[in-house]
Amino acid sequence: DGGITQSPKYLFRKEGQNVTLSCEQNLNHDAMYWYRQDPGQGLRLIYYSQIVNDFQKGDIAEGYSVSREKKESFPLTVTSAQKNPTAFYLCASRSTLFGPSGEQYFGPGTRLTVT
Amino acid sequence: DAKTTQPNSMESNEEEPVHLPCNHSTISGTDYIHWYRQLPSQGPEYVIHGLTSNVNNRMASLAIAEDRKSSTLILHRATLRDAAVYYCILRGGYNKLIFGAGTRLAVHP
Repeated sequence: DGGITQSPKYLFRKEGQNVTLSCEQNLNHDAMYWYRQDPGQGLRLIYYSQIVNDFQKGDIAEGYSVSREKKESFPLTVTSAQKNPTAFYLCASRSTLFGPSGEQYFGPGTRLTVT
Repeated sequence: DAKTTQPNSMESNEEEPVHLPCNHSTISGTDYIHWYRQLPSQGPEYVIHGLTSNVNNRMASLAIAEDRKSSTLILHRATLRDAAVYYCILRGGYNKLIFGAGTRLAVHP
């Protein structure tokens, strides 16, 4: 089945450690996105990528880094510089063929807890 | 990015229609209106989108005001599985969806 895979579903880390969240898609989509969601709130955009080897900062990029070496993969690293890393992280992708009308597909999310 | 305004929460009874409103008074002529919903502890899923005309699909209908400053998502017969947070979002560029807080829909048996 085509879709987006995020792993792991739950992740626990100690404060001060960097952690990398995985996102893989087999939908052949050009664009990929990372969002963060805090309890009771909407999603906020961290980073997005329109094409391989290119990415842009979203609204809350500080303390995060990404890479886009392959079309199907867009890993997110939460660095120790991120002051409040505990959150629900969602990866998404979409085809750019349909312009602004294109549907965005979301993964199941990774819940990161940092203590 | 143009903003949307939605009620924080709404309630419905099972098998009744639900009308979820969204105001977007600063919408531009090229902005598409998208609706997504999110079930607890899951990623959002696409519901429907439109530009000017009303739209129907297997999940819902989207009614867009003539001046495009507001829209309404219509669930024709609510089920317990429709209980979720519904997000109304405008997309004009090729890039990002800007999510607000959405409307939390409760469906009562």
